[in-house]
Amino acid sequence: DGGITQSPKYLFRKEGQNVTLSCEQNLNHDAMYWYRQDPGQGLRLIYYSQIVNDFQKGDIAEGYSVSREKKESFPLTVTSAQKNPTAFYLCASSIGGVAQPQHFGDGTRLSIL
Amino acid sequence: SQQGEEDPQALSIQEGENATMNCSYKTSINNLQWYRQNSGRGLVHLILIRSNEREKHSGRLRVTLDTSKKSSSLLITASRAADTASYFCATDKGQGGKLIFGQGTELSVKP
Repeated sequence: DGGITQSPKYLFRKEGQNVTLSCEQNLNHDAMYWYRQDPGQGLRLIYYSQIVNDFQKGDIAEGYSVSREKKESFPLTVTSAQKNPTAFYLCASSIGGVAQPQHFGDGTRLSIL
Repeated sequence: SQQGEEDPQALSIQEGENATMNCSYKTSINNLQWYRQNSGRGLVHLILIRSNEREKHSGRLRVTLDTSKKSSSLLITASRAADTASYFCATDKGQGGKLIFGQGTELSVKP
């Protein structure tokens, strides 16, 4: 079954700690995206990648970092510089280009200890 | 930068009734997409309408787009309890697949 897998489902971060959220897809999609969702809000774009070894900042990239070394994988690191990391993080992928639907994973909920 | 504004923020109806959700946006777009999100889950793509289209249907879903008013509506006919979810519009300005999401409409369908 093709799809996007995010892990872990729940994650807790201590003060001063970096944490990494995993996102893997087996849809053979070129483009991948990371979003942040706060309670009762829409999604805000953190980073996106249209092709392997390339990525761009979204609207709220400060305090986050990503890598795209493999087509299937797009991990997101929430650094200690992100002072308000508590949120629901969603990863998505698409074929790429314009007018293409995005396919989403089931998210990782990050909380502060 | 939220481009889409959705209305209403919450909607509660009885099973069998129709549900209409509206989305307004600020700048010109290439296409507009609607997504559904069940509580605690990821988003699921419902329908995409291009800027040169006025109306599109998919099963019980009907989407309209009025580019002169910069607005779109999603109609769900004969709603079911299983339609209970949040619904989001997302605009695509044709910039490498970047989507800008609205804040969503929370739909509750009571059996």
